[in-house]
Amino acid sequence: GAVVSQHPSRVICKSGTSVKIECRSLDFQATTMFWYRQFPKQSLMLMATSNEGSKATYEQGVEKDKFLINHASLTLSTLTVTSAHPEDSSFYICSAKEARTGVGYTFGSGTRLTVV
Amino acid sequence: AQKITQTQPGMFVQEKEAVTLDCTYDTSDPSYGLFWYKQPSSGEMIFLIYQGSYDQQNATEGRYSLNFQKARKSANLVISASQLGDSAMYFCAMREGNSGNTPLVFGKGTRLSVIA
Repeated sequence: GAVVSQHPSRVICKSGTSVKIECRSLDFQATTMFWYRQFPKQSLMLMATSNEGSKATYEQGVEKDKFLINHASLTLSTLTVTSAHPEDSSFYICSAKEARTGVGYTFGSGTRLTVV
Repeated sequence: AQKITQTQPGMFVQEKEAVTLDCTYDTSDPSYGLFWYKQPSSGEMIFLIYQGSYDQQNATEGRYSLNFQKARKSANLVISASQLGDSAMYFCAMREGNSGNTPLVFGKGTRLSVIA
């Protein structure tokens, strides 16, 4: 079945540094990738939608200069958290819809970011 | 307004018993899809079951069934013969429209605890 590989699974970084999270579709082309953030004991909140070859669409309240999304190829989308602060500590997870499998959305395994 | 409402923050069920997790939704789009995902403590999102708005029959997948009541806009998940491994967060989600570019919108989730 369709697989989205997300790396890293866990990262600790210092406040003020940047962190890049990668999501790679392994056996299908992901024209569109969705990026979610999940705070502890909360739901998944959509941050942005990235389309291959074009600028990402950000949800209201999400700073596009802080959360840089690049979707340069049909198999790779990246989220870079720039100048990270402790309040950015969260679980970040990507998702893509793979046409061949019908209705399902495939999720990456998530990245737990801790900013110290 | 909330698109997906899950009113049960937590539920307990005895092993081998059945349990129903509630989900109501709000949309004016005649075409939509309803999904249930399981999220164990590892964070991965496990797809359980899907119901399309035009599907005539309730969806079933093994021990999972979806009680779809379109007029009431509800899509409750029924888990039969609960197992200890079913303990996890469960999220109801909706896709509005039929496009592959539409993200899922999630409810707040229900934490299910299966008791031996």
